[in-house]
Amino acid sequence: DAKTTQPNSMESNEEEPVHLPCNHSTISGTDYIHWYRQLPSQGPEYVIHGLTSNVNNRMASLAIAEDRKSSTLILHRATLRDAAVYYCILRFNSGGYNKLIFGAGTRLAVHP
Amino acid sequence: DAEITQSPRHKITETGRQVTLACHQTWNHNNMFWYRQDLGHGLRLIHYSYGVQDTNKGEVSDGYSVSRSNTEDLPLTLESAASSQTSVYFCASSESRGFSMNTEAFFGQGTRLTVV
Repeated sequence: DAKTTQPNSMESNEEEPVHLPCNHSTISGTDYIHWYRQLPSQGPEYVIHGLTSNVNNRMASLAIAEDRKSSTLILHRATLRDAAVYYCILRFNSGGYNKLIFGAGTRLAVHP
Repeated sequence: DAEITQSPRHKITETGRQVTLACHQTWNHNNMFWYRQDLGHGLRLIHYSYGVQDTNKGEVSDGYSVSRSNTEDLPLTLESAASSQTSVYFCASSESRGFSMNTEAFFGQGTRLTVV
């Protein structure tokens, strides 16, 4: 199963951009790259996902390297509410089933 | 609005008792998942289901069982609760398009279970 590697923690100041990196060197051609975040005392929530091309939505942008071995979640202007654990996940197909396997994630602290 | 709900939100039980945690979603999603979250381990997959009458074991399935009798519900049962099963449990669901991975998952708010 392909795995992801993320820094344990990162810090940012409010209203500054944040770039959260993720390495997935063993990714296969059919694995989607998903990002979720977990606010304190809540369940994870979906942020964004992509396959090959960069993606944008109202929450964030996802930049995927050309070789797909790494990706970066971009929060354009961090707010205090963005303080959370961010998970980079490869959603893969195993035996006809697709799974969502979480790693340790990156804990993002946002300072006023 | 469609949603996914877990109940109870908090439960304390005694070692050896059978406990069932409920998960109900109103999206009509085929895929449903149960995770547990412990400090130092992140979220670990317990069981998952891709439709009615389908259940599969995840990474940490020992001591847990699930059943899927309809699309909306995936109850998680601890057959004989142990202190090691003290954790926060999350249920999730996602749409299935021929097992496509191009879908997002929705998570419940979690159930905090304490086994004493």
